[in-house]
Amino acid sequence: EPEVTQTPSHQVTQMGQEVILRCVPISNHLYFYWYRQILGQKVEFLVSFYNNEISEKSEIFDDQFSVERPDGSNFTLKIRSTKLEDSAMYFCASSGLGGNQPQHFGDGTRLSIL
Amino acid sequence: TQLLEQSPQFLSIQEGENLTVYCNSSSVFSSLQWYRQEPGEGPVLLVTVVTGGEVKKLKRLTFQFGDARKDSSLHITAAQPGDTGLYLCGQGAQKLVFGQGTRLTINP
Repeated sequence: EPEVTQTPSHQVTQMGQEVILRCVPISNHLYFYWYRQILGQKVEFLVSFYNNEISEKSEIFDDQFSVERPDGSNFTLKIRSTKLEDSAMYFCASSGLGGNQPQHFGDGTRLSIL
Repeated sequence: TQLLEQSPQFLSIQEGENLTVYCNSSSVFSSLQWYRQEPGEGPVLLVTVVTGGEVKKLKRLTFQFGDARKDSSLHITAAQPGDTGLYLCGQGAQKLVFGQGTRLTINP
């Protein structure tokens, strides 16, 4: 069964540095998403992306964050000037076209900011 | 934004027992999804319920959507250690909003 893959599985970065989290969505999916889960807390929506632009974003997704689909297969989340509170699991998801299409999640990248 | 309340937050039972967990909101859902998340992994979709009163079965798991589409339940029959995990309900099309989850532990 096709799946969403994320790399790296664990990223350790010094505070203030930039990180890029990478995702390969399911190949025929058209909607892409990033979610965040701080340890012990809910999975929180960050951003959705369709047709090469952001379709919706949460208040968490401020100017520190950006997303890009640099080619036909990758979907990236860039976090600039990382802060300690950015430490979390970051999940990528994708879904097909049409209403009520389920989102399929990757296994996440654990981001640790030191 | 609809808030989803899941209960109980934690549940630990013996293998072979039955259990029910709940997902509630004060607002009406157009649809609701149940996911299971295991440590170190992403949420995995179990089922989507759309119609009020709908019941869906997935082996020993029975999902019910309330008639008023404000609540949902997940019932597990004869629980097994492999059922251990975090069960999440989620609502929304593009922007999924999750409940805080029920952390289920099945003891052998």
